[in-house]
Amino acid sequence: DGGITQSPKYLFRKEGQNVTLSCEQNLNHDAMYWYRQDPGQGLRLIYYSQIVNDFQKGDIAEGYSVSREKKESFPLTVTSAQKNPTAFYLCASSFTVNTGELFFGEGSRLTVL
Amino acid sequence: KQEVTQIPAALSVPEGENLVLNCSFTDSAIYNLQWFRQDPGKGLTSLLLIQSSQREQTSGRLNASLDKSSGRSTLYIAASQPGDSATYLCAAVLQGAQKLVFGQGTRLTINP
Repeated sequence: DGGITQSPKYLFRKEGQNVTLSCEQNLNHDAMYWYRQDPGQGLRLIYYSQIVNDFQKGDIAEGYSVSREKKESFPLTVTSAQKNPTAFYLCASSFTVNTGELFFGEGSRLTVL
Repeated sequence: KQEVTQIPAALSVPEGENLVLNCSFTDSAIYNLQWFRQDPGKGLTSLLLIQSSQREQTSGRLNASLDKSSGRSTLYIAASQPGDSATYLCAAVLQGAQKLVFGQGTRLTINP
């Protein structure tokens, strides 16, 4: 079945460690996105990519990094520079950036101990 | 600032009722508006997408309308069921923002 796969579903990290969240899609979408969801704050855009080897900062990019080496994959690294990394992270994709229907993965919950 | 607002934040209704969820946006110049459903601890599921040239979209018991002049969209749910309980979010691509802007969501509870 076509869809977006995020892994891991749950992740625990010690302070000072970098972690990478995986996002893979088989929908043949050009655009991919990473959002962060916190209680009471809605979804906030971290990074997005319109095409392979290209990505743009969203509203809260500080402390995060991404890569887009393949059309299907858009991994997110949460670095030790991110001050408050505990959150629910959602990956999404669409055929074209900001104009197509958006589809989401099941999310990854990161907890910093 | 380009904003999308959903009121109320929470809604509880008896099973079987028809109900309307509201979404308002600050910029009448939008590309599209999308409604999502989110169950606790899960990702968002796309329900309906309305392009700026459309006035409504329907899928099963769901009907979404778009009124650009008033800056409003509504999601109508007919004959509500306990399985409809979830948080419903709307998101609009506003021309001024040039990106998808999400509302905070309405948490819906359908009581058996």
